[in-house]
Amino acid sequence: AQTVTQSQPEMSVQEAETVTLSCTYDTSESDYYLFWYKQPPSRQMILVIRQEAYKQQNATENRFSVNFQKAAKSFSLKISDSQLGDAAMYFCAYVSYSGGGADGLTFGKGTHLIIQP
Amino acid sequence: GAVVSQHPSWVICKSGTSVKIECRSLDFQATTMFWYRQFPKQSLMLMATSNEGSKATYEQGVEKDKFLINHASLTLSTLTVTSAHPEDSSFYICSASKDRALFYEQYFGPGTRLTVT
Repeated sequence: AQTVTQSQPEMSVQEAETVTLSCTYDTSESDYYLFWYKQPPSRQMILVIRQEAYKQQNATENRFSVNFQKAAKSFSLKISDSQLGDAAMYFCAYVSYSGGGADGLTFGKGTHLIIQP
Repeated sequence: GAVVSQHPSWVICKSGTSVKIECRSLDFQATTMFWYRQFPKQSLMLMATSNEGSKATYEQGVEKDKFLINHASLTLSTLTVTSAHPEDSSFYICSASKDRALFYEQYFGPGTRLTVT
């Protein structure tokens, strides 16, 4: 079974600085996707970034980028120029194709990101 | 596009009663819908996967008779918590997938907070 591990329960960063959130995963599949989701106090899940396992190039979305190390099964999120609105819970997640259709996501335990003004 | 709604957003019920939560895809047809449960300050745990017109597939440890899932149409899935007890109090989130081939695209609803007194 696949597992997703986030070892940082909480991270704090000064506004405008850069912060990196860590995630490791375990899977025997070769074709899968990894995600970072943001969950603000409203609790609406917001997709931050998605990475396809077969793509070597790291995904980037504006101030958000990932460092995907497939062999090491590592998937970290870098947030540049941190803003107050980035404060939230961040979840790393995984999904693979089961052959029978879509599978639910497997989530890590989350990292609470605090932005210091 | 790709909006998912949930109703109600918050419900309080008495112990022993049943409560139904609706998940609707507003602007697309969802071949598959997922139900997650999130306890306070914890991660999302997949409860079950439902495909339109077929029985739901429950994750290990989830009681099928307590959490009844119906996916009657391509835009509606319902979760009924039967004979609710205080330990069923939680935040329930649904997500929906448009197409089996697009298994990596899943759209989340805003969640439903259930409080059982």
